Amino acid sequence: QVQLVQSGADVKKPGYSVKVSCKASGGTFSTYAINWVRQAPGQGLEWMGGIIPIFDTPFYAETFQDRVTITADDSTTTAYMELSSLRSEDTAVYYCARGGQNVNYYDTSGFPYHFEFWGQGTLVTVSS
Amino acid sequence: EIVLTQSPGTLSLSPGERATLSCRASQSVTGTFLSWYQQKPGQAPRLLIYGASSRATDIPDRFSGSGSGTDFTLTISRLEPEDFAVYYCQQYGRSYQYSFGQGTKLEIK
Repeated sequence: QVQLVQSGADVKKPGYSVKVSCKASGGTFSTYAINWVRQAPGQGLEWMGGIIPIFDTPFYAETFQDRVTITADDSTTTAYMELSSLRSEDTAVYYCARGGQNVNYYDTSGFPYHFEFWGQGTLVTVSS
Repeated sequence: EIVLTQSPGTLSLSPGERATLSCRASQSVTGTFLSWYQQKPGQAPRLLIYGASSRATDIPDRFSGSGSGTDFTLTISRLEPEDFAVYYCQQYGRSYQYSFGQGTKLEIK
């Protein structure tokens, strides 16, 4: 069974950067995309981007592509999401998420059609 | 980008009743790419339905999904107290783009 364990809550000042980690265990790490989804307080879910560790090429949502960097370390089975130039509107819970084991629900690159496994979420608060 | 619109925004029902939640896409979505999630306060989303109509692991059979093209539905046949939560639909789009609906809050009447 895949488990995703994220780093703890963080508080940052506006203009600074935050880096959130997501350690995966169980299942194969390198060939399945790890994605990042955020949720502002009382709001819905928003996909930020993802990476397939073996290709080491991230893909980003247009909204975030100028400020987000997603990386993965195969040796520690950990993915990272760094968001820069933080503003108060970035206060949110950030989740990592992965698809399931059924390869029929992945595209040809390794991105899943849906997210079966989720991390517990990391609250990032941006405040002066 | 495909926009998903969920309705109603809030649904007030009693335990034992039937719930019908709608997800409408701005353009046609392949059923394989449409899924539903349940989220309770303070918890991560939980996958309920994938491929428009397949139940995820350990999801009770009172949950069912249907639909095609631009109109998809999540039905809960008989509400249990633990079903009151927020529900999201989600689609996978080309070029690794994903979008979620804005959510339907299912509350106890």
